[in-house]
Amino acid sequence: EAGVVQSPRYKIIEKKQPVAFWCNPISGHNTLYWYRQNLGQGPELLIRYENEEAVDDSQLPKDRFSAERLKGVDSTLKIQPAELGDSAVYLCASSLTTSGFQETQYFGPGTRLLVL
Amino acid sequence: QKEVEQNSGPLSVPEGAIASLNCTYSDRVSQSFFWYRQYSGKSPELIMSIYSNGDKEDGRFTAQLNKASQYVSLLIRDSQPSDSATYLCAVNKNDMRFGAGTRLTVKP
Repeated sequence: EAGVVQSPRYKIIEKKQPVAFWCNPISGHNTLYWYRQNLGQGPELLIRYENEEAVDDSQLPKDRFSAERLKGVDSTLKIQPAELGDSAVYLCASSLTTSGFQETQYFGPGTRLLVL
Repeated sequence: QKEVEQNSGPLSVPEGAIASLNCTYSDRVSQSFFWYRQYSGKSPELIMSIYSNGDKEDGRFTAQLNKASQYVSLLIRDSQPSDSATYLCAVNKNDMRFGAGTRLTVKP
């Protein structure tokens, strides 16, 4: 079974430029998560999708970040414009559902973003 | 107070020893608890999940949960150099909250 796929794996951009990350979850997983992980910290949730609906985006900085999950499968996370403080690893994860809060989340390899 | 707290380490143990990793959480109504291992430059991978008080064993790993004390631990028996990684504690109520991780080094 293929795992969570993310691209690109690495991205270097100058500040104020836009950037986009793509994620394809494990087949059949309804729930998709975007996390940001800063160096030396644990992942922090940015947004959670149940199928195509964003059910928790309270931690997403909406002035510059946007996300979509058209058709409830793959997802794109965008930053426009990027700031120096956005340098981090952006992780996508998926799970079957969130019913009972016991569903295991499986992480993709992440996209390492460096903003210069 | 952070929602999930872990000692950042580094924790260093000799090969073959028991490594003990600890985690406390602030939200008493948290329902499920996870330990993830993260190698440098890699993404987190699940080691153990635990949902009820007590111990849960899987091979060399034992997770312990004490909801009254809001405490979760992970024991690694017969530690191997390949266990050297950062161990993330995660707590799930409405969404997953991660600790900052404890860096474990197992010395040959």
